[in-house]
Amino acid sequence: AQKITQTQPGMFVQEKEAVTLDCTYDTSDPSYGLFWYKQPSSGEMIFLIYQGSYDQQNATEGRYSLNFQKARKSANLVISASQLGDSAMYFCAMREGTEGGGNKLTFGTGTQLKVEL
Amino acid sequence: DVKVTQSSRYLVKRTGEKVFLECVQDMDHENMFWYRQDPGLGLRLIYFSYDVKMKEKGDIPEGYSVSREKKERFSLILESASTNQTSMYLCASSLWGGEAVEAFFGQGTRLTVV
Repeated sequence: AQKITQTQPGMFVQEKEAVTLDCTYDTSDPSYGLFWYKQPSSGEMIFLIYQGSYDQQNATEGRYSLNFQKARKSANLVISASQLGDSAMYFCAMREGTEGGGNKLTFGTGTQLKVEL
Repeated sequence: DVKVTQSSRYLVKRTGEKVFLECVQDMDHENMFWYRQDPGLGLRLIYFSYDVKMKEKGDIPEGYSVSREKKERFSLILESASTNQTSMYLCASSLWGGEAVEAFFGQGTRLTVV
């Protein structure tokens, strides 16, 4: 079963508009963390934002915010005031513990965002 | 400046060859990860390690093995390369536990098996 599901392979948004990228997750670990990464065409992975499972408030980082709905197991990324430079692949990821003692980091399939003039 | 360095950016190998992909981090991180990235499939976890000589299988370990003899170095080994292992391979590292333990990534190795 997919641990992280991103149902939008591609999204378009007009410059200066807000956009929401969807992410749902599945875990039985009570303590976990959720991340969003950006991958521009150059290929590097850029960390954007983090939400811990016990955090009461939604995380925000500049124009990025994470809409965390724990009961629904969703962690959507909201980008406000989109810019052309936001065009990239966006990955949702989850950190959870393992029986062996490690911290596993699992990614979704990604959403390709294109910002248009 | 934090760094995760992968030994090669591009690699071409023949079917059946033994292939080593090396990853070194200079941040004293406990966790290290190997992923492969394919279009439409995202990043899939091959193996990860949370300590020297400790390793756990990820979601797609078949055909791969790993080695972590030193804390800063995590190697991915393709015992007998096959064409379906042609992919982009990404190494990452992170601190153990705590909050917001983001992973830092290397630049990736694009492996082609012919």
